[in-house]
Amino acid sequence: DTGVSQDPRHKITKRGQNVTFRCDPISEHNRLYWYRQTLGQGPEFLTYFQNEAQLEKSRLLSDRFSAERPKGSFSTLEIQRTEQGDSAMYLCASSPGVSGNTIYFGEGSWLTVV
Amino acid sequence: GESVGLHLPTLSVQEGDNSIINCAYSNSASDYFIWYKQESGKGPQFIIDIRSNMDKRQGQRVTVLLNKTVKHLSLQIAATQPGDSAVYFCAENTLTGTASKLTFGTGTRLQVTL
Repeated sequence: DTGVSQDPRHKITKRGQNVTFRCDPISEHNRLYWYRQTLGQGPEFLTYFQNEAQLEKSRLLSDRFSAERPKGSFSTLEIQRTEQGDSAMYLCASSPGVSGNTIYFGEGSWLTVV
Repeated sequence: GESVGLHLPTLSVQEGDNSIINCAYSNSASDYFIWYKQESGKGPQFIIDIRSNMDKRQGQRVTVLLNKTVKHLSLQIAATQPGDSAVYFCAENTLTGTASKLTFGTGTRLQVTL
């Protein structure tokens, strides 16, 4: 396994369009996280899954954002009606959960809303 | 509110010297701390972690020190190399109910000069 995989790596979209990002966690990691990072800042927590259950959502996750992990493996993060303020890098991470706390990040998906 | 912060935004060191990156945290309930390295355009890469019941932990060329009395964390890099140039983040693991999530500071940029 080569780590957390994210797709696409870069996305440019017009304001008002919907975008979807996919994350494939490290195999057998039952915890999956989404973070957002803007230039010059540290990543900010968005949401967290334990298997297929979404257990926590940050207040940063507005109604236009929705995340799913239908089979407890890969996850998708959809942003509807994108706004320029949504431009950021969206990071996915995973961890083993009970057997360990270390959270491993993917390379991120860059979103630019024009 | 609770936050993790860094003292210096940029640190410049000569190749071969030791680097020390500092971090202050304010959440006394945090029990787990992680250092990440982030190169331009990439996701955060796990370097080393430490639990709150430890004062020091060593890895390959890196050492993390934790001083719970003054809520201070540091990352020491021995014999700094050009490949160490990156932004370094400390993060604290905040356990909230069934979730665990990371709170990041804004990062310190390490510049290695030849």
